[in-house]
Amino acid sequence: SAVISQKPSRDICQRGTSLTIQCQVDSQVTMMFWYRQQPGQSLTLIATANQGSEATYESGFVIDKFPISRPNLTFSTLTVSNMSPEDSSIYLCSAEVQAGSEAFFGQGTRLTVV
Amino acid sequence: QQQVKQSPQSLIVQKGGISIINCAYENTAFDYFPWYQQFPGKGPALLIAIRPDVSEKKEGRFTISFNKSAKQFSLHIMDSQPGDSATYFCAASLGGSEKLVFGKGTKLTVNP
Repeated sequence: SAVISQKPSRDICQRGTSLTIQCQVDSQVTMMFWYRQQPGQSLTLIATANQGSEATYESGFVIDKFPISRPNLTFSTLTVSNMSPEDSSIYLCSAEVQAGSEAFFGQGTRLTVV
Repeated sequence: QQQVKQSPQSLIVQKGGISIINCAYENTAFDYFPWYQQFPGKGPALLIAIRPDVSEKKEGRFTISFNKSAKQFSLHIMDSQPGDSATYFCAASLGGSEKLVFGKGTKLTVNP
């Protein structure tokens, strides 16, 4: 199993600013992912964070808006850039310990943009 | 092609009753079908998962039924308890937990 910690747990930000969310896993994992969950809605995959290389983004998400880093096998960051109220959402970090295994999720970061 | 349709959107069940949530998928290449449980303020947690080589999987009070020909799968919660009140998400993917496609979720309320 894996325990995933996200920081911050919540934040209120001004439009036009950027926020970096940190994700720390308590063990080395093969894959890390970032999801967005809009209030009362489902989870949508933003990107796969690749260790040592550029993240792989899903349709509708771009690196300029959501830059992602993954410097090692236990840590990743997601930045939400030039925020607008439409970016208000819960951002979730997820990790897969080994290929084909279950995905574990962090508790999420609740972002409100005003 | 990538959608997973989940129903109902909300469900109210009496304690001791059976809760049934249904999902349908479109991509016949999907081969991993997990169910996640999410409590308010928490991240989703894996409840139970199935692969298409079996038609049913049971873990305690939770059972997944899988119908490959109909491209449908469902979650049954037997003897539902107030502590089961949460939002349940079905999901599907190819191979494992990469690129999970989630349903819209079902908010389950179990009345005492």
